Amino acid sequence: GESVGLHLPTLSVQEGDNSIINCAYSNSASDYFIWYKQESGKGPQFIIDIRSNMDKRQGQRVTVLLNKTVKHLSLQIAATQPGDSAVYFCAGAVYNFNKFYFGSGTKLNVKP
Amino acid sequence: SAVISQKPSRDICQRGTSLTIQCQVDSQVTMMFWYRQQPGQSLTLIATANQGSEATYESGFVIDKFPISRPNLTFSTLTVSNMSPEDSSIYLCSASLGTSGIEQYFGPGTRLTVT
Repeated sequence: GESVGLHLPTLSVQEGDNSIINCAYSNSASDYFIWYKQESGKGPQFIIDIRSNMDKRQGQRVTVLLNKTVKHLSLQIAATQPGDSAVYFCAGAVYNFNKFYFGSGTKLNVKP
Repeated sequence: SAVISQKPSRDICQRGTSLTIQCQVDSQVTMMFWYRQQPGQSLTLIATANQGSEATYESGFVIDKFPISRPNLTFSTLTVSNMSPEDSSIYLCSASLGTSGIEQYFGPGTRLTVT
């Protein structure tokens, strides 16, 4: 199956700064990758996804970068806000298998 | 999008008993999934709940321990059978819309403690 792991378990940033959360994956067959945000006591919430034939995708205040050469994925959050404090998971999946394999998660702490 | 609810939100159970967790989606969905999440850790897929057929289990999870039902396109249950303290965890259901399954929506989770 997919093995998706993260580089850092905890990331602390100052409010207003940009955040970068990294993720490494092992399965080259993954068709797409997804970032989820999980706040305490809640289920994961979809943030953004990217297909394997893309190297960048932008959303509202978030950008996902995919480097297939080194099997690396990152989530960039611009102008980080206190409401961004949560655990962020990356997940990889193979199209039509419809199963996601989650990484270990990075906790983002936003300091006021 | 889809809104997913789970019952119960939490429970404390005795060793050897069973608990059935319900998952309700506010719209018809193609696929539903069950995950387990230890506090502070990542999500591990238990099984895919297939409507009209048996669930598909991931390695390390078996039907006798985690029987799953999916009687229709909006509802599923997961039973944790013959519980032990090692089963203490958060159990989450999710659903995907459409056939691609790209975007999964998660329920709030059921926090289970086994004593």
